[in-house]
Amino acid sequence: GAVVSQHPSRVICKSGTSVKIECRSLDFQATTMFWYRQFPKKSLMLMATSNEGSKATYEQGVEKDKFLINHASLTLSTLTVTSAHPEDSSFYICSALDGRSGNTIYFGEGSWLTVV
Amino acid sequence: RKEVEQDPGPFNVPEGATVAFNCTYSNSASQSFFWYRQDCRKEPKLLMSVYSSGNEDGRFTAQLNRASQYISLLIRDSKLSDSATYLCAVNWNSGNTPLVFGKGTRLSVIA
Repeated sequence: GAVVSQHPSRVICKSGTSVKIECRSLDFQATTMFWYRQFPKKSLMLMATSNEGSKATYEQGVEKDKFLINHASLTLSTLTVTSAHPEDSSFYICSALDGRSGNTIYFGEGSWLTVV
Repeated sequence: RKEVEQDPGPFNVPEGATVAFNCTYSNSASQSFFWYRQDCRKEPKLLMSVYSSGNEDGRFTAQLNRASQYISLLIRDSKLSDSATYLCAVNWNSGNTPLVFGKGTRLSVIA
């Protein structure tokens, strides 16, 4: 079964609204989670590294005020896409680092965001 | 800029064929290496880790060449169910660092 759960799996929102995506580690504590974005037929691009109890580290070109990341507990990180635009429509995937097993990285099921 | 490069394909092969994917990475200090499989509109799933000594799992064999900075994946006796996109991934450091992915190589196995 899944060890990292992501919700919602699909969401449609109107331009200008905000959408929150949750990423949960189910049976381990994840001090570090990663958020990726994938456009159709493109590779996964790292957006940010989310660290429990501290600010996220954003990759170059990713707007931290637009993509808000909160990692308030050891099992939950959230990504909020603020003031969404159609060009934000994409597949957003989180992953979590399981330090118990040699830093194995597990992926959530992904969230398809469509902004209309 | 740290890069992971893959042939984008697509590779169209008949059932039973042997197919090989290669991936190069730019950071010689990279610590760990993986092959992931991604089905259409799904998250990537770990296929195998790649070790210097090479490793095999059934029809799948992965190799790492540190001197030339490339990793490979060989699939023998291809099945229709092997059709997917195969992504190589590299971790630049050990510890709490993210995977860097190649763009993926699409494989279509044809009956």
